[in-house]
Amino acid sequence: GNSVTQMEGPVTLSEEAFLTINCTYTATGYPSLFWYVQYPGEGLQLLLKATKADDKGSNKGFEATYRKETTSFHLEKGSVQVSDSAVYFCALVNNDMRFGAGTRLTVKP
Amino acid sequence: SQTIHQWPATLVQPVGSPLSLECTVEGTSNPNLYWYRQAAGRGLQLLFYSVGIGQISSEVPQNLSASRPQDRQFILSSKKLLLSDSGFYLCAWSERFYGYTFGSGTRLTVV
Repeated sequence: GNSVTQMEGPVTLSEEAFLTINCTYTATGYPSLFWYVQYPGEGLQLLLKATKADDKGSNKGFEATYRKETTSFHLEKGSVQVSDSAVYFCALVNNDMRFGAGTRLTVKP
Repeated sequence: SQTIHQWPATLVQPVGSPLSLECTVEGTSNPNLYWYRQAAGRGLQLLFYSVGIGQISSEVPQNLSASRPQDRQFILSSKKLLLSDSGFYLCAWSERFYGYTFGSGTRLTVV
């Protein structure tokens, strides 16, 4: 079946540090991959997406590349800000949508 | 443009009481609709999805149920809430299985 495995948090970084949140998936066929972000007290917002192998999704300084050979979609940002503090969810769409467990990121000034 | 409305935003209910959460979508027709739950310390769990009026698929057996009385209305219900039903409930829609749009969520606390 379809599933997503995401690195466990929480992750605490200092402002301007480099961020990587790992995400790997299991799926048949060719799923689309997504990163969603949930800021405190809010619902989920789409952060970025990639629909085929080698696609790179990017938004707000975040990037993730769809790697079919390693079944991965790791989220990266070169310099995090305090405002990036949130919970990040990796997700897969392949007939339905499956989410990772979420990774809580806290960025300290 | 398409919008999704979910209410209430927060809810505190006693154990054994009924539940009704409503979600409506505007600006689209025949959307696929979903209910997810996010329990404390856990990720998102798909509870129900619907591809049309009266068509409900359940992912996880539990004391919750869902109904879709109209094309753009999706309701999550329970006859008797349990403490374990506490969590953050999210409604979502998609026109195809290609990325979802989420409502703002309902934080349910069962006491």
